[in-house]
Amino acid sequence: GNSVTQMEGPVTLSEEAFLTINCTYTATGYPSLFWYVQYPGEGLQLLLKATKADDKGSNKGFEATYRKETTSFHLEKGSVQVSDSAVYFCALRTANRDDKIIFGKGTRLHILP
Amino acid sequence: DAGVTQSPTHLIKTRGQHVTLRCSPISGHKSVSWYQQVLGQGPQFIFQYYEKEERGRGNFPDRFSARQFPNYSSELNVNALLLGDSALYLCASTPGVSDYGYTFGSGTRLTVV
Repeated sequence: GNSVTQMEGPVTLSEEAFLTINCTYTATGYPSLFWYVQYPGEGLQLLLKATKADDKGSNKGFEATYRKETTSFHLEKGSVQVSDSAVYFCALRTANRDDKIIFGKGTRLHILP
Repeated sequence: DAGVTQSPTHLIKTRGQHVTLRCSPISGHKSVSWYQQVLGQGPQFIFQYYEKEERGRGNFPDRFSARQFPNYSSELNVNALLLGDSALYLCASTPGVSDYGYTFGSGTRLTVV
């Protein structure tokens, strides 16, 4: 079946450090891939997306590239800020009739000043 | 434009009771989906509705039901509440089925005691 696996947290970094959060997926067909972010006490916000192989999604300094050969969609940011502290979810969306999003378990990120 | 709005934001129920959660999608969005997010986990798909018809159902018991109204708003109903139903319930809307842009509401935090 379809699934998403992402690195377990929490991840703790100092401000201005480089961030990588690993995400791999299993899916039939050609899913769309997403990163969502959830700040404390809030709902989910779409951070970036990629809809086909080799696409790079980017937003707010975050990037992720859809790698079909390695079934991966790792999230990266060159210089993190304290305000990036949140939970990050990798997700996929299939083109099946039920059109649901499948989420990973989330990675909590703490950025220290 | 208002985003996806959910009500109530918080509620506490007793085991065995029934609960109704409400969602208003973004204006013009015809598809609404419901997700359950247990603390520390990623959201799990419950239902998707499009044009008032159920398009998909996740692996949840029959105690969970939903419907969509002519104005595209939606209700999620849960009967015979169990302690394990305590979670954040998220609603998401899209303009149509298989569009990429899911917008989530801030959720309803349900606590069952």
